Amino acid sequence: EPEVTQTPSHQVTQMGQEVILRCVPISNHLYFYWYRQILGQKVEFLVSFYNNEISEKSEIFDDQFSVERPDGSNFTLKIRSTKLEDSAMYFCASSSPGVATSGVSTDTQYFGPGTRLTVL
Amino acid sequence: AQKVTQAQTEISVVEKEDVTLDCVYETRDTTYYLFWYKQPPSGELVFLIRRNSFDEQNEISGRYSWNFQKSTSSFNFTITASQVVDSAVYFCALSEAPQGDDKIIFGKGTRLHILP
Repeated sequence: EPEVTQTPSHQVTQMGQEVILRCVPISNHLYFYWYRQILGQKVEFLVSFYNNEISEKSEIFDDQFSVERPDGSNFTLKIRSTKLEDSAMYFCASSSPGVATSGVSTDTQYFGPGTRLTVL
Repeated sequence: AQKVTQAQTEISVVEKEDVTLDCVYETRDTTYYLFWYKQPPSGELVFLIRRNSFDEQNEISGRYSWNFQKSTSSFNFTITASQVVDSAVYFCALSEAPQGDDKIIFGKGTRLHILP
């Protein structure tokens, strides 16, 4: 069964450093997402990406964050200058919508296993 | 505005007991999806179910069952004959009119402890 993969599984960095979290979405998927989960809290939407541009972003996704699809397979999240509060689990997801006769999508978002980011 | 409320922060039950996790949602849309995800201690998000707003039929999958009631905007999840391996955080979630680029809004989760 196809799956979303993420690397690394755990990243430790110093405050102020840049980090790049990598994701390989399911190969025929067209929509890509990043979510964040601070330890012990709920999963929060960061950004969605389609057709090589951001579709929607949350308030969390400020100028320190950027996303990119540098090639046909990877989808990356870059945090330019990490802060302590960026410590969290980051989940990538992908989807490929179809439209049923009811007008409702036939597919759903598949989540990767997450990258745990620790900022010291 | 879209919102998912899981009022139960933490539940503990003894193994083999049945347990119901509550979920109440808010949305302005008539077309939407509801989800349940399981997050075991290892941290990954395990997809359990997706239900669209047009289908109010209850669903059963093994020991798991879901009760969707649009009249009360609820989508409750029941585990029968609970097992220790069911211990996890369970998230209810909502996506409005998912056309592929719609975000999923998660509730705060319910931490379930199954005691041996």
